[in-house]
Amino acid sequence: KNEVEQSPQNLTAQEGEFITINCSYSVGISALHWLQQHPGGGIVSLFMLSSGKKKHGRLIATINIQEKHSSLHITASHPRDSAVYICAAWSGGNLIFGKGTKLSVKP
Amino acid sequence: EAGVVQSPRYKIIEKKQPVAFWCNPISGHNTLYWYLQNLGQGPELLIRYENEEAVDDSQLPKDRFSAERLKGVDSTLKIQPAELGDSAVYLCASSVQGSIEQFFGPGTRLTVL
Repeated sequence: KNEVEQSPQNLTAQEGEFITINCSYSVGISALHWLQQHPGGGIVSLFMLSSGKKKHGRLIATINIQEKHSSLHITASHPRDSAVYICAAWSGGNLIFGKGTKLSVKP
Repeated sequence: EAGVVQSPRYKIIEKKQPVAFWCNPISGHNTLYWYLQNLGQGPELLIRYENEEAVDDSQLPKDRFSAERLKGVDSTLKIQPAELGDSAVYLCASSVQGSIEQFFGPGTRLTVL
């Protein structure tokens, strides 16, 4: 069993839909990252959080430390949001990555 | 300010050939990471440097992979000889020492034929 699990693995949405990507982890963490990876490989950090909730534009990330669960929400999704979203847990001095959720937003 | 620079962006080689990837981290970032990312998977750590010292290379397949960061700035990752299963994206990331925020390069996509 992977230490960081994401769901769903693939997600197709229509433009404007509200999107939720889930991440569960089994290790003790000091922080959790949400990352975005576009085709071509580059990875961009969206959020780092260790408690509560953070918002940036149309993106919202939440974390529940007791339940070892985090969610990434995208409101009013747009085709330019199409990418792979990766959850990564900071544990023991290293980042442990989930496999990613491939999001495709159709116009 | 320039981000993490990697070269080449793409590399196609035949199996059993050697290959090298180069990474220049963000200026002032003491910590440098090399990751391997297979298709449909998240990145997996190969090696982490603090300045010129490799502090975690437990996941580096040392029979064919080697890395160096001689002056504690840029770094090279080498595979010799390459195998078909090495086809993947090789990502470099850097951070300020002690920070959990990493900055990633664009990656090198390796195809071994």
